[in-house]
This record gives sequence, structure tokens and C-alpha cells, in this order.
Amino acid sequence: EVQLVESGGGLVQPGGSLRLSCAASGFTFSSYSLTWVRQAPGEGLEWVSYIGASADRIYYADSVRGRFTISRDNVQNTVFLQMNSLRDADTAVYYCARGGTLDYWGQGIRVTVSS
Amino acid sequence: QSVLTQPPSASATPGQRVTISCSGSSSNIGRYPVNWYQHFPGTAPKLLIYNNNQRPSGVPDRFSGSQSGTSASLAISGLQSEDGADYYCSAWDDSLNGRVFGGGTKLTVL
Repeated sequence: EVQLVESGGGLVQPGGSLRLSCAASGFTFSSYSLTWVRQAPGEGLEWVSYIGASADRIYYADSVRGRFTISRDNVQNTVFLQMNSLRDADTAVYYCARGGTLDYWGQGIRVTVSS
Repeated sequence: QSVLTQPPSASATPGQRVTISCSGSSSNIGRYPVNWYQHFPGTAPKLLIYNNNQRPSGVPDRFSGSQSGTSASLAISGLQSEDGADYYCSAWDDSLNGRVFGGGTKLTVL
């Protein structure tokens, strides 16, 4: 069974940092790209970042480029999202999802940026 | 403002057919396949349609997708009460070098 489990969320002050993790199981992790998507309170889904299967291709949304860094560990079967210089507007539930079609999603992890 | 445009809401009674539209441009829907996701708040979104009109295993054939030019649509026939959810279209976008989502359509089953 494919599983994606996010962790690392919480409350952080503006300007602070958090590192999200997404642990994967039930499939050959190194064969799939991974994506982070977020949903701010009362808003729709927003694509955040993408990393290719071997980390050969990495893309970011304009809203996070230069502040967020996506990476992966194909031994630990985990994808990470390092979030720096956090802003109020980054408050959201963050989901990781598998592959180009986003065919499986994690349950999401809440990030709250507030003073 | 979302790059892909969806109606914010739709409603229909059980048994009816409802269609949700998704309008884009030549840099996204006009060039890349469209996926549709069903989302119940507080849960993981679920892939409903991929490659414009393909259903993953386990998705009922009441759900269907189509694409033409720079627009796509999701149709749900034989509407059931449990279909009440938020629906999102999505495609890759060349000019943004990223994936884009529609703003979401909240479907209410009356």
C-alpha cells in the first residue's frame, strides 16, 4: 500500500524556519518524482515545488523561490522541504504527493506562521 | 487569481448530471494533460481523472473527463450525496515552469 506521511510542521514566527519531511513507503521511491502542494485557510490548492526521481529536475513556485528548498533521500525514502524566511502567507496545510499525476497524497501537515 | 479558471460553486440533486469547467491557455491545458482531484476538507486530495479522461482504478465510471483546446471539463453523472466535495483541475504550465491548479469548485448535492 502506497503511503506518504508528512511531519515537521508547527507554529513558527515570521522570519523563522521549518523543515518538512515526507516519508514514503509501498512503492519504489527512487522511480518517482515528488511534489509539495499547500492549502492556505479558506483557499484552494497551490503547487509549491517539484523534484524529479533522481533530483535532476527541481522547480519552485514564484511565491517560494529563494526561500524554500526541496530535496530527497532515496535511501531513507524521504522528501524534504526546507522553509526559510517564513511569512504569514505561508500558513497552510502542506501535502506531499507522488509522481507527475499526483496519484497519491499524504494527509497533510499544518504550518502556522504567526507572532 | 488562479491560472486555471473554474466556477467557484456548482449544485445539483441526486441522480442528476453535473459538469465542472476548467479554462486555461496554450501554455497549460493547450499543451499538457489535465488531472482532476476530489478533496474533502481535512483529508488527502484524491486523483479522480488523469491524462484528460483516464480514471484510476477504483474511481466509478460516473466520473468522466474531457479536454478540447485550452479547456477541460469534469462530468459526474448519477450524482450521489457523497459526491459533495471540492474539485480541482490541474495541469503543467510551460511559461511558469510549474504545475497550476484551478481555484476549485465546491459541489453541493441538494
